[in-house]
Formats: sequence, C-alpha cells, structure tokens
Amino acid sequence: QSALTQPASVSGSPGQSITISCSGSSSDVGVYDYVSWYQQHPGKAPKLIIYHVANRPSGVSNRFSGSKSGNTASLTISGLQAEDEADYYCTSYTTSSLYVFGTGTKVTLL
Amino acid sequence: QVQLVESGGGLVKPGGSLRLSCAASGFTLSDYYMSWIRQAPGKGLEWVSYISYSGNAIYYADSVKGRFTISRDNAKNSLYLQMYSLRAEDTAVYYCVRLDRSSDAFDIWGQGTVVTVSS
Repeated sequence: QSALTQPASVSGSPGQSITISCSGSSSDVGVYDYVSWYQQHPGKAPKLIIYHVANRPSGVSNRFSGSKSGNTASLTISGLQAEDEADYYCTSYTTSSLYVFGTGTKVTLL
Repeated sequence: QVQLVESGGGLVKPGGSLRLSCAASGFTLSDYYMSWIRQAPGKGLEWVSYISYSGNAIYYADSVKGRFTISRDNAKNSLYLQMYSLRAEDTAVYYCVRLDRSSDAFDIWGQGTVVTVSS
C-alpha cells in the first residue's frame, strides 16, 4: 500500500491557476475512476472537493476541477484565492479493495 | 444536521488498548459504509479501515491489520474502533468518516479524536 505521490508544495499568485498532480499505479488511479480530492485547513477536518475524478459535490466552488490521464490524476484550482491556502490530498480505491491517500500538497499564495 | 462525533481518545502506554467511538446523527447509519482515517502529528492522511452497511465486509490497512477491529451498531447509530497492541506510530488524530459508495468518496468527517501512545 504505497501512498500516491503528490508534490510537497505548489504556489501561485492570486487569480492564477495551479495544478496538483497525484501519481499512482495500474492498481489504483490507473484502473478506477474512484479518485477523490480533499482540502484541509490547519486544525480542521478535511473536506471533500472532488469525487469520481472530476465531479464536484454540491456547494463546492467551480474553481476546483479534476482530471485523470493514465496513472495520474490532477486537481486544478483556477482564480486562486486566499481561502485556497490549505493542504490538499488525493485518494483512490485500489484493486485490493483498500483505499490509499496521496502524500499531500501544501498550497501557498505568493 | 449530518454530524459525526468521535470520543474515546487519550493517552495510552505502548502495548495498551483503546476503544474509539463515533456517534452519527442526521442520517441513517445503515445506509452508508463507514471508515476510520488517521493523521499523525504534522503528517498526511492515512486510511485505516472501512466497514460495509451491516458489517459483512471489513478491510484494514496493512499497518493496523491484526491489531485494530472496526465494528458498528446501526441501532445505536454508532461506529467503533478497538485498538490493541498500540505503538508509538499509532499516535494520531483519528477521524470517523462516512464513505458514500455512490461517489466512492469520504463525504462527511468528524472533528477527530486524539490518540497518544507514549510511556
């Protein structure tokens, strides 16, 4: 159960777009569309922002979008805002019927 | 409103045991899979275990398999995690989380309960 690989940090200026990658394998990200993304502010519980690769739950800003190509999923945040500063995690269902999280990415505004 | 509230965390010595509880409200527990997810201090999220609607299917992360037991009581709207043979590396915030199988995502999270394993 190796963690999915994410960049440790990504930064951008207000209004810009950034993309966070989530690299897995043919046993998880590559075989299922069961990839979801979570936003976590310091001291708070994580919040679901994307499910099934590219779907947004009700109430989540359309500035968040997801995609997948092969064994790598991606989260794009467009029109970066101060409130987007947080940690972001991907997760995927696996062929072993387990779940695995990404290593996490800290998003900071320049 | 939909809510999950964990309890039972605390300080325990290495090798000790602890039982976490999670009280669900605002939804019908038996309609959902449930899961435990943890986060060590300053570290990322780690999926621990999940249990199916009636408990027929249960899965664990390799790191806790054989030491932790997940269970549920739908009549009491409660989820549990019994932890045995605790190690320092089990120190973490433990989150009770609803797993929605229609979205295959962890859609509702509790506020977490802190487990510290130290002598």
